[in-house]
Amino acid sequence: QITLKESGPTLVKPTQTLTLTCTFSGFSLTSGGVGVGWIRQPPGKALEWLALIYWDDDKRYSPSLKNRLTITKDTSKNQVVLTMTNMDPVDTATYFCAHSGSIPAYFDYWGQGTLVTVSS
Amino acid sequence: DIQMTQSPSTLSASVGDRVTITCRASQSISRWLAWYQQKPGKAPKLLIYKASSLESGVPSRFSGSGSGTEFTLTISSLQPDDFATYYCQHYNDYLWTFGQGTKVEIK
Repeated sequence: QITLKESGPTLVKPTQTLTLTCTFSGFSLTSGGVGVGWIRQPPGKALEWLALIYWDDDKRYSPSLKNRLTITKDTSKNQVVLTMTNMDPVDTATYFCAHSGSIPAYFDYWGQGTLVTVSS
Repeated sequence: DIQMTQSPSTLSASVGDRVTITCRASQSISRWLAWYQQKPGKAPKLLIYKASSLESGVPSRFSGSGSGTEFTLTISSLQPDDFATYYCQHYNDYLWTFGQGTKVEIK
């Protein structure tokens, strides 16, 4: 059974760096073809893909946010970490992590999401 | 960048109706398209991948079709549990793009 869960701060101040952790079970990020992605959703708005990391440590970033994002994995802990620098109120959103077992990657299992509010 | 445009933005329908949602890509994406269902306060749920492949466990009243730039999600007979927002998503191995969503409401 594949599960993912996001964790991190619920409130960050403008200009701060956000660090979110996705802790997963039921699969290994060392298995060929597996990836974990991050997607966000501002309140009442559409989904936006942010980043994805593959089993072989290949990384992909949204072109519009590439300069602010870093995605890493810790296979020993079954975790994927996303950092986003220079947070702004427009970054207020629910942040989801999701699993992909295919190439190209689509997201077949999702975490419950975590709401991050950016406010001073 | 590839843009994904869904229509309509909102759809009002009754239980038992046949419902069709359209997703158009700004350039050809072959069949690299997925459909998700999202209910308020919940994570999206995968329904369809590779344009027409039904995800395991998803009811057969859901179907997807299309290729190139035009795709459709069809619900053959709308059920009470189907009132939700639906998103299309283009995927490849370097970029993932969602549509703006279609909300299916009770008529």
